Amino acid sequence: GAVVSQHPSWVICKSGTSVKIECRSLDFQATTMFWYRQFPKQSLMLMATSNEGSKATYEQGVEKDKFLINHASLTLSTLTVTSAHPEDSSFYICSARSEGADTGELFFGEGSRLTVL
Amino acid sequence: DQQVKQNSPSLSVQEGRISILNCDYTNSMFDYFLWYKKYPAEGPTFLISISSIKDKNEDGRFTVFLNKSAKHLSLHIVPSQPGDSAVYFCAASGWETSGSRLTFGEGTQLTVNP
Repeated sequence: GAVVSQHPSWVICKSGTSVKIECRSLDFQATTMFWYRQFPKQSLMLMATSNEGSKATYEQGVEKDKFLINHASLTLSTLTVTSAHPEDSSFYICSARSEGADTGELFFGEGSRLTVL
Repeated sequence: DQQVKQNSPSLSVQEGRISILNCDYTNSMFDYFLWYKKYPAEGPTFLISISSIKDKNEDGRFTVFLNKSAKHLSLHIVPSQPGDSAVYFCAASGWETSGSRLTFGEGTQLTVNP
């Protein structure tokens, strides 16, 4: 099946710093990618929809200035957590849909665990 | 407003028996439903899906049933194997509202005991 890769898989940073997470579709082009956040023992919460070549669409309650999303190419989307604080510590997952794939079938990255000290 | 709900946070079954995971939804615009399996510290893996025009879809040991009138779907795993132990997420989408955007349930931790 299609492969989506995230990097880094684990990052620890100091409070106030910014962290960038990359999401790549390795063997297909993705005009749309999605960023999710998962708290322990909770559901995956959609944060934003990343559209290649245009601005991301953020879900209600997600600060767009806090979570910067860039989708500069058909195979790469990045999520930058700016001025990270301990409450931003979470598991961030991206997903992408292969063009022509069945409705709703998304391929997920391995996830990136962010710990803010 | 939790539009997709998995009311059982955990389920424990014996190896070889059937595992039944349940999911309820409230949004009548959802027309495509999926089940994902997730191991700790990994991204979800697609398992099986069903369109609202069907009431059953089977793939090997996995069968998904959809009851549209009750807004309920279930995932049956038979026979269950220890390797099936994971968190299972139910997800829904609808072209009218979200295209490929998925709304996830809270997940059910399945433990299959040898």
